[in-house]
Amino acid sequence: EVQLVESGGGLVQPGGSLRLSCAASGFTFSDYWMTWVRQAPGKGLEWVANIKEDGSDKFYVDSVRGRFTISRDNAENSVYLQMDSLRVEDTALYYCARDCNYRIIFDWYDAFDIWGQGTMVTVSS
Amino acid sequence: AIQMTQSPSSLSASVGDRLSITCRASQGIRKDLGWYQQRPGRAPKLLIYAASRLQSGVPSRFSGSGSGTDFTLTINSLQPEDFATYYCLQDYNYPRTFGQGTKVEIK
Repeated sequence: EVQLVESGGGLVQPGGSLRLSCAASGFTFSDYWMTWVRQAPGKGLEWVANIKEDGSDKFYVDSVRGRFTISRDNAENSVYLQMDSLRVEDTALYYCARDCNYRIIFDWYDAFDIWGQGTMVTVSS
Repeated sequence: AIQMTQSPSSLSASVGDRLSITCRASQGIRKDLGWYQQRPGRAPKLLIYAASRLQSGVPSRFSGSGSGTDFTLTINSLQPEDFATYYCLQDYNYPRTFGQGTKVEIK
């Protein structure tokens, strides 16, 4: 069964750090980009970061660049999100998702086809 | 960053209805757009990619159209399990950006 399982969420004070993990199973992990998406309580979805299959390319939303670091370990079939200098506004449910590439004739398209159940991060004093 | 604007923000509909949700990009994004469904308390689910391609396993009552800046998700014959929030997402460039969501409620 194709599956993603996040862990590592919790309560942390502003300025603190947290490391999220996402364990993949049921597919060849090293063949896919991976993505983190978050959702603040009662709000919409926000893309946070993604990482290339071999970890050589990474992209971030402006609001987390310089504070969050995405990484992966293909031997462990896992992707991580190191979150430093956390702010109250980082409070959210964090999902990891598989970033699937679809080829249609000569064009490529991305979509997040597999999602985990999410791990909650609460930043509060 | 490209802004994605969905309309309406919410709507009420009945089982069996046909409804459409629109998503407008602040600049042209070719067909680099997906649609996602999120039921309460659940993770999002991919419905449509490349603006109009149905994801495997998704019922054919869902369809997508559009290119450039204007896109539409259509649900034919709404079913009870379709009451959820729907999001568009552009994958044209970084940062990836979602629309604000459209909540579909039971009338």
